[in-house]
Amino acid sequence: KAGVTQTPRYLIKTRGQQVTLSCSPISGHRSVSWYQQTPGQGLQFLFEYFSETQRNKGNFPGRFSGRQFSNSRSEMNVSTLELGDSALYLCASSFTGTRPYEQYFGPGTRLTVT
Amino acid sequence: AQTVTQSQPEMSVQEAETVTLSCTYDTSENNYYLFWYKQPPSRQMILVIRQEAYKQQNATENRFSVNFQKAAKSFSLKISDSQLGDTAMYFCAFMNTGANSKLTFGKGITLSVRP
Repeated sequence: KAGVTQTPRYLIKTRGQQVTLSCSPISGHRSVSWYQQTPGQGLQFLFEYFSETQRNKGNFPGRFSGRQFSNSRSEMNVSTLELGDSALYLCASSFTGTRPYEQYFGPGTRLTVT
Repeated sequence: AQTVTQSQPEMSVQEAETVTLSCTYDTSENNYYLFWYKQPPSRQMILVIRQEAYKQQNATENRFSVNFQKAAKSFSLKISDSQLGDTAMYFCAFMNTGANSKLTFGKGITLSVRP
């Protein structure tokens, strides 16, 4: 099986712009979670989607949003980018069958805001 | 809210030796999952091992094993016969059960394996 894929792998944006990141989960996985990784704050949960519905949300401002499509692919969007949004954004998928609590991570999208 | 603490920022071990990485957590829940993830330099996060809180037996995966002490809220990872490829950042993570489950990570520990 192919692993979790994320596109693009690298992005450079200017403050004030918006950005959309994409995540394709492992085939058969219906849950997709997003995390932000920074040197200062570590890994922080953004949100989780399951069956096209946001099931859980972390403590991030409304500028961070996401969605999930019927094929389980997910996108996250960050509007009005700030310098502090520079981070590695990780997507993880899980299978809600026999092992619902094991999350498998993609390679991440490294976003740099200048 | 759950918290995960990894108090050692860095560790170093000689190849072929054994090393233990520490992790403590805080939760009021009785049923949950604990994980160790490995993130090699510039490579993606890999699940190393998982432990269900309701299981008393410590999980093992080849050279990796855990010491799970539920009452003490401690979850350490032992790596036996360390290999150069074990050099990575290791994250301890907690997941609550239920519909609002999410991973809460510790700050991570950088492990270097010396040849």
